[in-house]
Amino acid sequence: IAGITQAPTSQILAAGRRMTLRCTQDMRHNAMYWYRQDLGLGLRLIHYSNTAGTTGKGEVPDGYSVSRANTDDFPLTLASAVPSQTSVYFCASSDGSGGSTDTQYFGPGTRLTVL
Amino acid sequence: GQNIDQPTEMTATEGAIVQINCTYQTSGFNGLFWYQQHAGEAPTFLSYNVLDGLEEKGRFSSFLSRSKGYSYLLLKELQMKDSASYLCAVLDSNYQLIWGAGTKLIIKP
Repeated sequence: IAGITQAPTSQILAAGRRMTLRCTQDMRHNAMYWYRQDLGLGLRLIHYSNTAGTTGKGEVPDGYSVSRANTDDFPLTLASAVPSQTSVYFCASSDGSGGSTDTQYFGPGTRLTVL
Repeated sequence: GQNIDQPTEMTATEGAIVQINCTYQTSGFNGLFWYQQHAGEAPTFLSYNVLDGLEEKGRFSSFLSRSKGYSYLLLKELQMKDSASYLCAVLDSNYQLIWGAGTKLIIKP
C-alpha cells in the first residue's frame, strides 16, 4: 500500500543524546516535510525539501537537521536532544507541483519524549 | 505576519449540522485545505478550495471567500466518529502551508 512510514513509533530519549527519526515515502512525491505538533500550538514546520538534494528551514529549525539524498527518504536528526524537543513529529509529502497537488499526506507520527 | 484563526473547541449533537470557521491573513493565497485529525493519529486530507464558493463531498462541504479571507467546513448528519480536530491550512505565495491550531469537535449523543 502506497504511503509514508515513520520509525520509530515512539521513543524515550535522555537529554544530550543524538537521535534520527526516519521517514520513507513510496509515492514518488517531490516534496517532503517535517512537522512537530504540540498541544495548543498546531503543526509547526521544522524543515522541508522541495526535491531530492535540496532542503530548507521552516518555522522552528533550531536543534534539527535533515538530508534528502534520494526521493524516498527524509531523515530528521536531533544532534543533542533537549526536553523542549518532546513532541509528536510528523513527516509529510506532496507532489509539490502547485495547487491541489500540494496536498500533503502524513505519516503516522513519532512520539518523542526527552528526559 | 501570517495568521490563521479557528475556534479552539466546538460541541455538537449526533445527527446535527456544525460549521467550523477559519479566517486567514497570509502573504498571498494559492489555496486552502481542511484536514481531519483523530486523537493520536495523523492528519488526513478532507478538502481543497482555491476558487470562491462551495465544494461538496458527501456529508462534508467546504466554502471559501477569498475577498473576506474566510472559509468554513460544514459537517452534516454528524456521527460519533466525526469527533476529531479539524485543521485549516492556507498555501501562501511561496507555496508554504500555513496551519491553524485546529478546532476540536466534540460530538454528544
